[in-house]
Amino acid sequence: GEDVEQSLFLSVREGDSSVINCTYTDSSSTYLYWYKQEPGAGLQLLTYIFSNMDMKQDQRLTVLLNKKDKHLSLRIADTQTGDSAIYFCAESETGANNLFFGTGTRLTVIP
Amino acid sequence: DGGITQSPKYLFRKEGQNVTLSCEQNLNHDAMYWYRQDPGQGLRLIYYSQIVNDFQKGDIAEGYSVSREKKESFPLTVTSAQKNPTAFYLCATKGQGYSYEQYFGPGTRLTVT
Repeated sequence: GEDVEQSLFLSVREGDSSVINCTYTDSSSTYLYWYKQEPGAGLQLLTYIFSNMDMKQDQRLTVLLNKKDKHLSLRIADTQTGDSAIYFCAESETGANNLFFGTGTRLTVIP
Repeated sequence: DGGITQSPKYLFRKEGQNVTLSCEQNLNHDAMYWYRQDPGQGLRLIYYSQIVNDFQKGDIAEGYSVSREKKESFPLTVTSAQKNPTAFYLCATKGQGYSYEQYFGPGTRLTVT
């Protein structure tokens, strides 16, 4: 089955850039997503990228996709304390009913 | 105000009791999903429904049941057969169109003692 892996923890200082990494095994993945979960809350979609793209930028967020290595990353520029949360990578295929989520990376921003 | 409502936010039950978690949406989305979240394990799919009166098992359906009598509602029952029911439960919906974006409710934390 599909396998999506992430590191569990990341700590950065306020103002630095954060890079959260994700690897996946399914070569049929069509869409790859980054979701953010604040404490005790549901998930909020941050951004997504189609598998035929290499990069997507949205304000402070940059998504990079290396399809050959099946590696996805999310870069947050000028990280703020409000960015502290769990970040989930997810993937889906065309025609599939479900998303497959990674374990989530807990980002801690140190003031 | 459109969105997904899950109630209650915190739920406590004694072992051996069934409990039903509510999920209501006014987004007019056809597809609805239930996930379970445990620390360090990400989200695991319990059940999903693509249309009213139809639902499918996800990866960890044992010990759970659902119904989909109305488009707006997709309640999840955690039965006494579920061996480790304490978890954070998330409901989601999927919009129409080409994107596969899912929208999530605020979640219900269930504690069984």
